[in-house]
Amino acid sequence: SQQGEEDPQALSIQEGENATMNCSYKTSINNLQWYRQNSGRGLVHLILIRSNEREKHSGRLRVTLDTSKKSSSLLITASRAADTASYFCATEISGNNRLAFGKGNQVVVIP
Amino acid sequence: GAVVSQHPSRVICKSGTSVKIECRSLDFQATTMFWYRQFPKQSLMLMATSNEGSKATYEQGVEKDKFLINHASLTLSTLTVTSAHPEDSSFYICSAGPPAAGEQYFGPGTRLTVT
Repeated sequence: SQQGEEDPQALSIQEGENATMNCSYKTSINNLQWYRQNSGRGLVHLILIRSNEREKHSGRLRVTLDTSKKSSSLLITASRAADTASYFCATEISGNNRLAFGKGNQVVVIP
Repeated sequence: GAVVSQHPSRVICKSGTSVKIECRSLDFQATTMFWYRQFPKQSLMLMATSNEGSKATYEQGVEKDKFLINHASLTLSTLTVTSAHPEDSSFYICSAGPPAAGEQYFGPGTRLTVT
């Protein structure tokens, strides 16, 4: 069963704006990961946040994790056209690297 | 970073035939690899865990006799879709990760179309 679930979103924003997407999950986790997928391609790992972390930054990415609410958010600042992609969060099933993916957020950045 | 490759990237086959998809870890050894399936505009669904030297572990609802998995070496897992039907048409993606890395590296995916 899926443990990581985003609020299904399709974001369309102007280049330079920030994009925020959310993810909720149902069970306890060791970590939560965000991935990007360009159309018809494989997934690219963006960032991993552990259960004892509340916020993590990587370049223009900012991830927050609220374990009390079982939710996470991904913020992309100063978006670029190249950020156009689908973004998925994923949580581990049973702590052995088996991942449950959320529904995904499609982000379109308009140049 | 770690690299995972898949072959072929795209395959078209006729209904009733079998198709083999390879997943390779190029710069690390992987005792475990994972196979996912993704239908258009949907998320990834974990199909099975491929274990080097032992039987694969299948997720609930995945037919093990239809999706044969072999993990013969520490760098190669294969997924064979047997007696393929049009409903098996999908994007198949594998993943693997260096031990204790905590993150998975995904292959570029294989687009299977069954006619």
